[in-house]
Amino acid sequence: KAGVTQTPRYLIKTRGQQVTLSCSPISGHRSVSWYQQTPGQGLQFLFEYFSETQRNKGNFPGRFSGRQFSNSRSEMNVSTLELGDSALYLCASSLDGAETQYFGPGTRLLVL
Amino acid sequence: QQQVKQSPQSLIVQKGGISIINCAYENTAFDYFPWYQQFPGKGPALLIAIRPDVSEKKEGRFTISFNKSAKQFSLHIMDSQPGDSATYFCAARMRGGADGLTFGKGTHLIIQP
Repeated sequence: KAGVTQTPRYLIKTRGQQVTLSCSPISGHRSVSWYQQTPGQGLQFLFEYFSETQRNKGNFPGRFSGRQFSNSRSEMNVSTLELGDSALYLCASSLDGAETQYFGPGTRLLVL
Repeated sequence: QQQVKQSPQSLIVQKGGISIINCAYENTAFDYFPWYQQFPGKGPALLIAIRPDVSEKKEGRFTISFNKSAKQFSLHIMDSQPGDSATYFCAARMRGGADGLTFGKGTHLIIQP
């Protein structure tokens, strides 16, 4: 089976812009979770989608949002970008969220 | 507050030696404890995982030891090899999967040849 894929792999934006990241889970997986990884804060949970519904949400401001499509592909959006949003954004998929999570390679976002 | 504390922050081990990374947690609602390995430029990859009803789990050179009463768990890498040089993260997940995985801060492991 193909692994989790994320696009784009690298992105440069300026403050105030918005960005959309995409994730395609492993075939058959219905749960997609998003994490932010920074050197200072480490890996932090953003949110989880299951069957097109947000099921869990981490402690991030409303500028961070996401959605999931009927084919389980997911997108996350960050509006009004801040310098502190520079990070590696990781997507992880699992069968139903309670099982093992498999991570994609991430999208590295740089906000200037 | 849900936390997982990981130590050491960095570790240097000679080739063939045993690498040991420790984690401690506070929330007794955690019921799944995975370890992830991450190489530069890559996403974390699941190494091994354990549930609290088991005190030890071994897969190849990797072993998790779990102490439920002390709320601690550790990763042992036997016969450490230069290819094991990576960042290792312990994590914990609550019963039912709510709130995703809570990660430790990571351990940067270097295996010297």
